[in-house]
Amino acid sequence: SFVLTQPPSVSVAPGKTATITCGGSSIGSSVHWYQQKPGQAPELVIRYDDDRPSGIPERFSGSNSGYTATLTISRVEAGDEADYFCQVWERSSDQVIFGGGTKLTVL
Amino acid sequence: EVRLVQSGAEVKKPGESLKISCQASGYRFSDYWMAWVRQVPGRGLEWIGIIHPADSDSRHSPSFQGQVTLSVDKSTDTAYLQWTSLKPSDTAIYYCARLMTRDYFQFWGQGTLLTVSS
Repeated sequence: SFVLTQPPSVSVAPGKTATITCGGSSIGSSVHWYQQKPGQAPELVIRYDDDRPSGIPERFSGSNSGYTATLTISRVEAGDEADYFCQVWERSSDQVIFGGGTKLTVL
Repeated sequence: EVRLVQSGAEVKKPGESLKISCQASGYRFSDYWMAWVRQVPGRGLEWIGIIHPADSDSRHSPSFQGQVTLSVDKSTDTAYLQWTSLKPSDTAIYYCARLMTRDYFQFWGQGTLLTVSS
């Protein structure tokens, strides 16, 4: 079955750029990203690979090469510390797939 | 403003039944698919299934097929997730989430913590 692989953890200093990857054998569908802070529900931060919903800072951006999707957070702030999950809707099986999640630590 | 308000935390014993709810407001309930997602504390997100309020058409993850029942009540704009016989492995936080299209989860409820323990 289709699997999305994320690094378990990423650490970055404040003001630097964080890069979180999401890999699959072939990501034919669009990739969406969610931020989840401790004790809170997930929140959509990127949809359709690179589109930022209203209210999400411009520091958040996304890309998708077809095999690896990437969430980039520029000028990282302490408030960005959270778990980040990628997600696709796998069309051939009509199933939702989540990546395992990446814990972003701001040093 | 779209809001999804879920029912409160539950503590149940193995073998008991349960129905948790997700009341929607701020949009036309029958126009959008509703999803349920499980998260074991400290772990990742798992998709349970989706249901369309207009006709109760539903899809399930193979991992949850036959384990839970999704339903809706259009008269109260409420979606439900139901178990007939709980197991300790059902202990988790359960989120409802409204889909924008059948692509991504646009709005999320606050989550319902379920603890199943003897």
